[in-house]
Amino acid sequence: KAGVTQTPRYLIKTRGQQVTLSCSPISGHRSVSWYQQTPGQGLQFLFEYFSETQRNKGNFPGRFSGRQFSNSRSEMNVSTLELGDSALYLCASSRDIPGTAEGGSDYTFGSGTRLTVV
Amino acid sequence: QKEVEQNSGPLSVPEGAIASLNCTYSDRGSQSFFWYRQYSGKSPELIMSIYSNGDKEDGRFTAQLNKASQYVSLLIRDSQPSDSATYLCAVNRRNTDKLIFGTGTRLQVFP
Repeated sequence: KAGVTQTPRYLIKTRGQQVTLSCSPISGHRSVSWYQQTPGQGLQFLFEYFSETQRNKGNFPGRFSGRQFSNSRSEMNVSTLELGDSALYLCASSRDIPGTAEGGSDYTFGSGTRLTVV
Repeated sequence: QKEVEQNSGPLSVPEGAIASLNCTYSDRGSQSFFWYRQYSGKSPELIMSIYSNGDKEDGRFTAQLNKASQYVSLLIRDSQPSDSATYLCAVNRRNTDKLIFGTGTRLQVFP
């Protein structure tokens, strides 16, 4: 079965621009979460969505936003890009409703979008 | 104190040896624990998940969880050069999909 699909794979933007990244979860998965990975900070949680509702948000400025559609696909948007936003952006999907699975869910990551801000 | 701590390494082991990777976490409310492998330039790949105290084995991999000590480990038996990667420990609480990651341990397996 198809995995988590993220588009585009690579992006180069200039400071001040905005960008939209897309994530299509594994078929049947309803939970999507987003992460930013940088060499200095590692993997940091951005936000999580379930059934079109944002359930949790990480410690990022309001320039970072996201949404989830009725087909579970998700987008994240970064406005007024800064050089420090250069990173690998990853999304992960899981099948289970948060908190209902025995012990938890397994999370599958997409290949990521490599964003470079110049 | 970081929420999830790992030794950054590199951990160097010879081919065929056992590699032991360790992780501690600070939140006693953590319920689920994961080990991901990440090759350079690639996305994390789930290796093991563990939810209950004790050991869980899958092929050459064994995850060990001790909630009282807030400690989770990953053993890789018969290490291969292809196991050379960064291993990320992640934890989350019930009712959330938010994963808290450690900074990862770089493993090098030399022939």
